Formats: sequence, structure tokens, C-alpha cells
Amino acid sequence: EVQLVESGGGLVQPGGSLRLSCAASGFTFRKYDMHWVRQGAGKGLEWVSAIGTGGDTYYLASVEGRFTISRDDARNSLDLQMDTLYAGDAAVYYCARGGASWGDERFDYWGQGTLVTVSS
Amino acid sequence: QTVVTQEPSLTVSPGGTVTLTCASSTGAVTSGYYPNWFQQKPGQAPRALIYSTSNKHPWTPARFAGSLLGGKAALTLSGVQPEDEAEYYCLLYHDNARVFGGGTKLTVL
Repeated sequence: EVQLVESGGGLVQPGGSLRLSCAASGFTFRKYDMHWVRQGAGKGLEWVSAIGTGGDTYYLASVEGRFTISRDDARNSLDLQMDTLYAGDAAVYYCARGGASWGDERFDYWGQGTLVTVSS
Repeated sequence: QTVVTQEPSLTVSPGGTVTLTCASSTGAVTSGYYPNWFQQKPGQAPRALIYSTSNKHPWTPARFAGSLLGGKAALTLSGVQPEDEAEYYCLLYHDNARVFGGGTKLTVL
């Protein structure tokens, strides 16, 4: 059974940092692209970042330079290092499994999310 | 920056048919945008329904169908059930980024 479990959310002050993690199980993690998606309170979904199987990374323009996505295929883990956080970054952050090959664009499995609150 | 537009809300009667659409500010949506569709109910994580325009996941009910329609991605629900009441989001791939639409709140009434 595919499982994605996020952790690391919490309360952080504006300008602060937080590191989110996503523990994956039930599939061959190294073979899949992975994504982070967020959802502010009462708002829609917003794609944040992706990492390919080769370590190539992609970001939403508003987080580029502040967020860093990484993966550890040995630990079946996906991370999102978030620096210089703004109030607008407050959201539930989901990790999602992507595709397994070029052109295979899918987000088939999602975690339950971890809440990030940015407030002084 | 690409903007993806969906109908904010739609209402359908039980047993009826409804089509949700997904438009891109960059022009006509093609298969190269790899449209995905997701369903989200309050307090739950999104659930994937459709990928790459029209492909269903193993758990996707047969009444859901994805297509391209008039330059947009489309999700058609046929024989709508009360449990289909939810928020629906499309997602488009564009220049290595992915962009979600604003969502369509579907009411079954």
C-alpha cells in the first residue's frame, strides 16, 4: 500500500525557517518524481515544487530562492527546506507522488498534509 | 505567469450530467499540458481522478471522464451521485511548472 506521511509543520515567525519531510512507503521511491503542493486556509491548491528522479528541481516562482526541495532515495524521504517564510506561505503542505517516466504527469497518491503557520 | 481558470461553481441534479472546464491563459489546452483532475472534500486531502487528459486511476469511478473540449481540458460527470458534491481542481503542466486552477465547487441538488 502506497503511503506518504508528512511531518515538520508548526508555528514559525515571519522570516523564520522550517523543514518539512515526507516519508514514503509501499513503492519504489527512487523511480518516481515527487511534488509538494500547498493549500492556504479556505483557498485552492497551489503547486510548490517538484523533484525528478535524477534530482532535477522545479519551483513556484514565488518560492524560488527561499525553498529547497530534496530527496533521499536511501531513506525513501522527500524534504522541503523553507527559509525566509512570509505570512503568505502559511498553508497545509502536501507531498504527492508524481510520474515514473517522461510525459507521465500524474499526482496519484497524496499524504494527509502538515500545517505550517507563520505568525509573530 | 500562467493562470488556469475553472468555473467557480456549478450545480447539477442527482443522475444528471455536468462538464467542468479548465482553461489556460497561454492559449488552447492540448495533451502536452497533461491535464490532471482532482476531487477534494472538506477536511480531506485531494484525491486524483484523471491524469494526462483522459486516463483514469484504478479507483476512479466510471462516471468520470476527462477530455479536451473547445481548447480546454474538461471533466464530465455522468449519472452524478450525491457523494460527488465536492471541490474539483484541474492541474496543467507548463514549462516544467505545474499550475492548479482555482477550483470548481460542485453542488448536487
